[in-house]
Amino acid sequence: AQTVTQSQPEMSVQEAETVTLSCTYDTSESDYYLFWYKQPPSRQMILVIRQEAYKQQNATENRFSVNFQKAAKSFSLKISDSQLGDAAMYFCAYRSAFGGTSYGKLTFGQGTILTVHP
Amino acid sequence: DAGVTQSPTHLIKTRGQQVTLRCSPKSGHDTVSWYQQALGQGPQFIFQYYEEEERQRGNFPDRFSGHQFPNYSSELNVNALLLGDSALYLCASTVGSYTEAFFGQGTRLTVV
Repeated sequence: AQTVTQSQPEMSVQEAETVTLSCTYDTSESDYYLFWYKQPPSRQMILVIRQEAYKQQNATENRFSVNFQKAAKSFSLKISDSQLGDAAMYFCAYRSAFGGTSYGKLTFGQGTILTVHP
Repeated sequence: DAGVTQSPTHLIKTRGQQVTLRCSPKSGHDTVSWYQQALGQGPQFIFQYYEEEERQRGNFPDRFSGHQFPNYSSELNVNALLLGDSALYLCASTVGSYTEAFFGQGTRLTVV
């Protein structure tokens, strides 16, 4: 079974600064997807960025980028030029790339609460 | 595009009662997954429905059951509610298993 661990329960950052959220995972699979989701107080889970394990290049989406270290099973999220609207709970999630018994199930970490100070 | 819609948004039930939560997937999506999110925790996978059948199930008791209708909408039923069932219940939809999951805003269930 796969597990996802986020070791930072809370993080804070000043507006316009950069912050990095950490995530590690454990799997015996060779191909999979990793995601960062944002959950604001409105509760709706919003996809921030996605990384495919077979791709060497780190994913980037505007101010959001990841540092994917497959051998170390590490997947951190960097938020540049932080904005007040970035304040939310952030979840790291894993999904197998294979069918069979996985069928697109997402395994989530415990989450990191990000506070942005003006 | 309405996205994923869930109803109701909030619900209060008494221990021992039964509850039904509803989910309409994003337009074009045919697969619905349900997750339970306890306060301050990450979501936990309950089960997934595809072609009106439960295709995969997480570590949840049989008190949790579901259904998918021909229009791909889905229901989550919980019988004999326990205080520990109090949580945010999230519905996510995809096309099969391999596209991005879109989530609804969830149903906040409180069991008293």
